[in-house]
Amino acid sequence: SQKIEQNSEALNIQEGKTATLTCNYTNYSPAYLQWYRQDPGRGPVFLLLIRENEKEKRKERLKVTFDTTLKQSLFHITASQPADSATYLCALETLQTGANNLFFGTGTRLTVIP
Amino acid sequence: EAQVTQNPRYLITVTGKKLTVTCSQNMNHEYMSWYRQDPGLGLRQIYYSMNVEVTDKGDVPEGYKVSRKEKRNFPLILESPSPNQTSLYFCASSPRRVPPRDNSPLHFGNGTRLTVT
Repeated sequence: SQKIEQNSEALNIQEGKTATLTCNYTNYSPAYLQWYRQDPGRGPVFLLLIRENEKEKRKERLKVTFDTTLKQSLFHITASQPADSATYLCALETLQTGANNLFFGTGTRLTVIP
Repeated sequence: EAQVTQNPRYLITVTGKKLTVTCSQNMNHEYMSWYRQDPGLGLRQIYYSMNVEVTDKGDVPEGYKVSRKEKRNFPLILESPSPNQTSLYFCASSPRRVPPRDNSPLHFGNGTRLTVT
């Protein structure tokens, strides 16, 4: 069956350090992968998208890598700030036909400690 | 402001009492979808709509109905709610979705927390 795993439920890091979140998947033929941020009481907000043929994507302090051999995406936040504290979700878009092809991980709750 | 609006934000009801959660988007998006979010299970798709009058089942459609009579609205209907439908529900929209490669990211509403007793 299809499965997406995010490395841990919670991650605490010190302000200024780089946070690295992991998204692993099995049994998929991915088209691309998306990362979302979710704050308490709010809906997820789209951050970045990386395609299957891309190794790395950057946006300001954010960096995403995609290794289809390892079946893994890494999401990095450099120079982390307390305002980066949130839950981060990865979502995998597969190559199957039909619109029902976007699958979400359960998320990693990041806390940046001042 | 471009947004997806869900109502109500919080709802407590009893088993069997029909309810509707409304969802409206002002971005002229073709695609709309409903998800439920449960601890340890992540976001799971209930129903989706590629365009007006076109709806289809997601991963967990049992106990739910939807309709898409106009582009901006996509209500979620629970005809006879049960306690296992207690959850956090999200509506989402996207400009278009032409799987498997030409898809846009989702815009989410702020959720409806439903409790069925």
